[in-house]
Amino acid sequence: DVKVTQSSRYLVKRTGEKVFLECVQDMDHENMFWYRQDPGLGLRLIYFSYDVKMKEKGDIPEGYSVSREKKERFSLILESASTNQTSMYLCASSSGFSYNSPLHFGNGTRLTVT
Amino acid sequence: GQSLEQPSEVTAVEGAIVQINCTYQTSGFYGLSWYQQHDGGAPTFLSYNALDGLEETGRFSSFLSRSDSYGYLLLQELQMKDSASYFCAAPMIKAAGNKLTFGGGTRVLVKP
Repeated sequence: DVKVTQSSRYLVKRTGEKVFLECVQDMDHENMFWYRQDPGLGLRLIYFSYDVKMKEKGDIPEGYSVSREKKERFSLILESASTNQTSMYLCASSSGFSYNSPLHFGNGTRLTVT
Repeated sequence: GQSLEQPSEVTAVEGAIVQINCTYQTSGFYGLSWYQQHDGGAPTFLSYNALDGLEETGRFSSFLSRSDSYGYLLLQELQMKDSASYFCAAPMIKAAGNKLTFGGGTRVLVKP
């Protein structure tokens, strides 16, 4: 089974802090994603990567950056955390370039910015 | 742009049938996926429809009509464990990898 592991389940940070969310997958997937989940808004794509050192903006990239130095690891960075970034963050991975390739999600990191 | 609309909540009793509708607006279309998410858990893939028609997987079925820009997930013989949120999702156009746009999710509450 594919395993996507997010480093923290819960995180509390202060406004202005730099925050790192880490994600590791163990199935040699090419594609990795960061989504944000808020009630009623579903999952919104922040950034994704289809190869090492490659990244593309999703729908809501403002205030975020990402890093993919190794194929199995995809990091989300909040340069200066703000209260409106309080949310559930979900990492996912998938293989190849097929539209029916399912996304495999981690259990999420619930971030609270105070 | 691309958007997917689905009802926010559905309540039903054990043994009943629930249909979760999803209407979409996209400038291109490459199929419709469905994901299930239990409270506190990760979304998990249920099904993918690339072509019109019904796809059945056990108690769950998914339907797509491209001409109507509409799909649905059908949950039959509802069980308590089916209480979860269900999301429809569609691939973004001309994108490498499977970048999905998700609907807002439908929370299904199954009562005894």
